[in-house]
Amino acid sequence: AQSVSQHNHHVILSEAASLELGCNYSYGGTVNLFWYVQYPGQHLQLLLKYFSGDPLVKGIKGFEAEFIKSKFSFNLRKPSVQWSDTAEYFCAVNVYSGAGSYQLTFGKGTKLSVIP
Amino acid sequence: GAGVSQSPRYKVAKRGQDVALRCDPISGHVSLFWYQQALGQGPEFLTYFQNEAQLDKSGLPSDRFFAERPEGSVSTLKIQRTQQEDSAVYLCASSFARDRGSYEQYFGPGTRLTVT
Repeated sequence: AQSVSQHNHHVILSEAASLELGCNYSYGGTVNLFWYVQYPGQHLQLLLKYFSGDPLVKGIKGFEAEFIKSKFSFNLRKPSVQWSDTAEYFCAVNVYSGAGSYQLTFGKGTKLSVIP
Repeated sequence: GAGVSQSPRYKVAKRGQDVALRCDPISGHVSLFWYQQALGQGPEFLTYFQNEAQLDKSGLPSDRFFAERPEGSVSTLKIQRTQQEDSAVYLCASSFARDRGSYEQYFGPGTRLTVT
């Protein structure tokens, strides 16, 4: 079964610092990759996704992620964070389960705290 | 348009009670997923519906968990004889497409279940 690892449990940054959140997955076949964000008190929202084509994917709010197939990685980046980026970030992989669905498998999440 | 809605938002149940959690997906969405998110963890897949058909229930942790979507719209997740380990946030997600992993899943706000 596939799994997703997020390397950092909690990241604390000052405003304007650069961000990189690590994500590795274990699955040898074709995958669809996602980053979801959960702002305090809100529901999970899609930041960006990759399913084919250019491995550098741009999402909302200035976020981007790079798919490196040889490293089974899909790291999230932002050049300059803002206080409003304080949230929990989840990496997820979507593969066919073999039992009828494309279920998402999530990492444990990385909590980002941005200090003004 | 309206997003995915879930009710109740919070539920406290005494151990041994039965609970029913409701999900209203986005209108026209074919696919519906249920996930369970324990504290400090990422969401974990429970079950999947395509219209009214439950195609994948491989993630349901025990036979105390039961889900239905009788008319292909609203879905109910029922947990019988609740146990303390059932305490979690239960998330519902819907997606426009069937059998296409690259399509976004839209998440509801979740129901936080606490079993005392």
